[in-house]
Formats: sequence, C-alpha cells, structure tokens
Amino acid sequence: GQNIDQPTEMTATEGAIVQINCTYQTSGFNGLFWYQQHAGEAPTFLSYNVLDGLEEKGRFSSFLSRSKGYSYLLLKELQMKDSASYLCAVPGSSNTGKLIFGQGTTLQVKP
Amino acid sequence: SAVISQKPSRDICQRGTSLTIQCQVDSQVTMMFWYRQQPGQSLTLIATANQGSEATYESGFVIDKFPISRPNLTFSTLTVSNMSPEDSSIYLCSVEARQGFEAFFGQGTRLTVV
Repeated sequence: GQNIDQPTEMTATEGAIVQINCTYQTSGFNGLFWYQQHAGEAPTFLSYNVLDGLEEKGRFSSFLSRSKGYSYLLLKELQMKDSASYLCAVPGSSNTGKLIFGQGTTLQVKP
Repeated sequence: SAVISQKPSRDICQRGTSLTIQCQVDSQVTMMFWYRQQPGQSLTLIATANQGSEATYESGFVIDKFPISRPNLTFSTLTVSNMSPEDSSIYLCSVEARQGFEAFFGQGTRLTVV
C-alpha cells in the first residue's frame, strides 16, 4: 500500500525560504505531486516529479529522491498569499488515476 | 485543463436526510473521483466513478452510504445518505487530466449536518 508522511504545520517569515518535506512508501512508483490548497478552496496543482532531481517553477521548486522515498517543496521569497496547506500525493496502486494524499502541511507566513 | 462545476457549493442539512452533489466536466473523461475532506484533514478518496459500470469504493466507504451515479462521460453525482454530524465535510470531485496524471478538482461542497 501507500503511506505518506509530512509535517502538520510550519511557520515562516515573509521574504524567507521554506522547505516542506514529504516521505513516502509505495508499492511501485508513478510520480509524486504537490498541491496547494487555500482555506475553503479546492486544491490546485503545483508540481509533478517522476525523475530524481529538482524541478524549478518560478518561486516554487520540487525535489525528488526515489531511492530515499523523499520529496520536498521549496518556496522562495515567501509572500503572505503563500499561507495555505501543501499536500503531497502519489498515484494509487494500479495507476488508475486516483491520488493518495498525505495529511497536508499548513504553512503560515508571518510579516 | 478541465473545468469542473460542482454544486451545491455548500449546504446545511438535517440528520437523517440525504444530499446529492453534482459534478459536471466540460469535456469527456474516463474516470471521475470523489474525495472527502474532513475538518482540518487531508483528502481521502471515497470512490472512483466509472461510466457504464458500478463505482469502485475504497476501504471504509460503502455504496449504501455513498451511492454514485455516472450516466455519461461528463457528469457524476454523489449522494450522502442518512446523514449524521460525522458526515460534515467538504466533498470534492476530481478528474484525471487527459495527458499525464495531473488531477483537477471541483470547487467542493461544504456540507454541515445538524
């Protein structure tokens, strides 16, 4: 089965850099997703990693190490609007299109 | 990308009643998914809605409690039956992108059972 672990809460300062970690255990591997979810809104896609290494997309970057079962989301130049929950997810077994989510990390950005 | 319209956006219901949530997609998709997000929690998959066949339910979810319809490739409904306060959650429908694995979500239905 799949098991995903990420910290529950994090706090960071506006303008700083924050790294949100995610460790996973899966039977088979078909990539890892990061989603952002603001309070009261639906999740929105941030990134997808299937190969090892760092994928950079503006202020957000995502890293994957398949051998370690580890990923992180890096947010640079934090803004107040980055306060949200960040969800790590992997495809379900048999690759049917469903996603298995971690518990989410609630990030609070302070002035 | 897919545009997903979900309704109602929120509702307050009496215990013992049922609520049907609708999900409309702007393009044909093979599979649609229904998730539940309990207060302060992450998303948990309820079931996969397949057109032309019965939905596939995840462990802990049963058809009698969460009946699902999928009459065509652009529409699905989820019913929350015989509701209790424990069913108070956000319910989200989702579709897989045509290319790749990225999933798109409806805006969610915030259900409160009193």
